Amino acid sequence: QKEVEQNSGPLSVPEGAIASLNCTYSDRGSQSFFWYRQYSGKSPELIMFIYSNGDKEDGRFTAQLNKASQYVSLLIRDSQPSDSATYLCAVIKAAGNKLTFGGGTRVLVKP
Amino acid sequence: KAGVTQTPRYLIKTRGQQVTLSCSPISGHRSVSWYQQTPGQGLQFLFEYFSETQRNKGNFPGRFSGRQFSNSRSEMNVSTLELGDSALYLCASSFGTSAGETQYFGPGTRLLVL
Repeated sequence: QKEVEQNSGPLSVPEGAIASLNCTYSDRGSQSFFWYRQYSGKSPELIMFIYSNGDKEDGRFTAQLNKASQYVSLLIRDSQPSDSATYLCAVIKAAGNKLTFGGGTRVLVKP
Repeated sequence: KAGVTQTPRYLIKTRGQQVTLSCSPISGHRSVSWYQQTPGQGLQFLFEYFSETQRNKGNFPGRFSGRQFSNSRSEMNVSTLELGDSALYLCASSFGTSAGETQYFGPGTRLLVL
């Protein structure tokens, strides 16, 4: 079992719709959770971080964390073609600053 | 504030050679982490440096090494290059004073080993 798992996609979403991305992790000691966006040929760009159970909203993005069920999700509202990218879920365990990444979910927003 | 910078951006080497990559963190950040990204293995952690000391290490062979200077700039070195070392090498910086901090990535160095 991989430490951080994501559906590889592609997740095809019509423009203006909500894209829902999920991520599960195996280590219950994980305490910091991140979503990065990566365009083809570019480096990862931070979208959101979340540390506590519940929802966290930032503009069109909402991160949701459920530590009991060991999953973290990302909602993208009013999806735009510019949101087409690979979304990487990453986790840091209790000690240290090592990011463990999922394989990423490719999102395609169609006009 | 300037972001993380990495040099060179692209590199072509042949098997058996060695390579050194450089990373300058965001001003005020003292932690630099290195990651390798390949299509097959995804993003994998190499090591983290803080205050010129290696603080964490991933599961890579000893051919991969790094160091950090007093101004927080970091270098990583790969010796005896293999074809499988072809990858995007990313560095990320953070303040480094707390566990679980947000890390910001540089543009990466794309290494091709022939």
